[in-house]
Amino acid sequence: AQSVTQLGSHVSVSEGALVLLRCNYSSSVPPYLFWYVQYPNQGLQLLLKYTTGATLVKGINGFEAEFKKSETSFHLTKPSAHMSDAAEYFCAVSDRYGGSQGNLIFGKGTKLSVKP
Amino acid sequence: GAGVSQTPSNKVTEKGKYVELRCDPISGHTALYWYRQSLGQGPEFLIYFQGTGAADDSGLPNDRFFAVRPEGSVSTLKIQRTERGDSAVYLCASSLQPGTSEQYFGPGTRLTVT
Repeated sequence: AQSVTQLGSHVSVSEGALVLLRCNYSSSVPPYLFWYVQYPNQGLQLLLKYTTGATLVKGINGFEAEFKKSETSFHLTKPSAHMSDAAEYFCAVSDRYGGSQGNLIFGKGTKLSVKP
Repeated sequence: GAGVSQTPSNKVTEKGKYVELRCDPISGHTALYWYRQSLGQGPEFLIYFQGTGAADDSGLPNDRFFAVRPEGSVSTLKIQRTERGDSAVYLCASSLQPGTSEQYFGPGTRLTVT
C-alpha cells in the first residue's frame, strides 16, 4: 500500500528565507505526486503536480518541487518566503494505474509559519 | 465559475443520529471524491464516483457510511448511527476525469458528534 511521510509537522522560517518542506513516499511503482496548500478556513488548493516528464516541477506562488526516484522524495521549495505563505501544506500521491487511480493518499501535513 | 460547494458548512448532531452531507461538484466534472480530515491529520480517502457509480469505496470505514450520486452530479454522504469518532471535516472534491486531472476541493463540512 502507498504511504506518504512529511518530515516535520511544523516548520518556521523568516521572511525572505528558503522554504523546504520534505515529502517521501512509499510505492512499488512511482506514483503521481502532488502538493496541496490549505489556508485557514479555506479548501485545499493544488500547488503543483508531477505526472511525467521533467522531474523539476514549477507551481503557483513561486513554489517548485523535484521528483527524485532514487530517494523516493518530492520535496517542496521556495527560494524566498513571504508572509502570505503561512499555511498548511500537504503532500499527496495517487496510483498511476488501476481502479484506485485518482484517489489521493495524503501525508499528515506541515504547518508553515513565516516570521517577519 | 462556481467551485465545489458543500452544505452544511457545520453540523452538530447527537450520538446515534443520522446525518446527510451534500456536495455540489463543478459542472461537467465526471469524477467526485469524498475525503475525511480529522484534527491534525491529512485528508483520508473515503469513496470515489465516476459518473453515477461508485468506482472505489474501499475507504469507507464501515457499513454506517454510504454515499450516492444518482444523477452523476450532486452527491450525498450518509452516516447512520453516528459516533463521536465520526467527528471530522468531510471534504468533497471533483475533477474532469480521474487520474492526473486536478482535484478541486470544496470548503468542507465540519461534523461534530456530541
